Amino acid sequence: QVQLQESGPGLVKPSQTLSLTCTVSGGSISSGSYYWSWIRQPAGKGLEWIGRIYTSGSTNYNPSLKSRVTISVDTSKNQFSLKLSSVTAADTAVYYCARVVYGDYHDAFDIWGQGTMVTVSS
Amino acid sequence: DIQMTQSPSSLSASVGDRVTITCRASQSISSYLNWYQQKPGKAPKLLIYAASSLQSGVPSRFSGSGSGTDFTLTISSLQPEDFATYYCQQSYSTRPFTFGPGTKVDIK
Repeated sequence: QVQLQESGPGLVKPSQTLSLTCTVSGGSISSGSYYWSWIRQPAGKGLEWIGRIYTSGSTNYNPSLKSRVTISVDTSKNQFSLKLSSVTAADTAVYYCARVVYGDYHDAFDIWGQGTMVTVSS
Repeated sequence: DIQMTQSPSSLSASVGDRVTITCRASQSISSYLNWYQQKPGKAPKLLIYAASSLQSGVPSRFSGSGSGTDFTLTISSLQPEDFATYYCQQSYSTRPFTFGPGTKVDIK
């Protein structure tokens, strides 16, 4: 079955760019009625949607992060990626990648990666 | 943004109890409402999509209802593995998708 795995540095310095990659295994990133998202969760807090990308390359971002976020896809590698620039301590969180299944009355995050902790600190 | 609220923020219940969690949207979202379960240190798991459709593999003791602004997640008979935090999420608007603050269900 399809699995997602996040990878990237666990520690990023303030003002630098956070870069994470999500590798999709067990299926093609381009198949089916799916698109791909990033979500984050600060320790002990709730979930925040960061953005989404279709395999066509079309994207939507959370307006609160839009000026700093770029999500891209590499279908040849079955991967999609997140870049978040000018990070501060407020960006410290567990970052999840997720598959989104869409249809009548729903866009739902049906498969999640295990999450990767990213700490912003000097 | 569409704001999502949940009540209660936490509850204590016993195995076998019927548990109901409420989610309210700040504007009508039709049936674009999903429910997730999250256990400590783990990624969320999709339980219910489109307000009332049970995700494949999820036990039938979980059910969802509602439309418009008011939604409910019900666990008909709480099991030991159901102690977790539950989140609702609206997918009506991508500006942005938003989650509720969560409801923690713990052991009484």
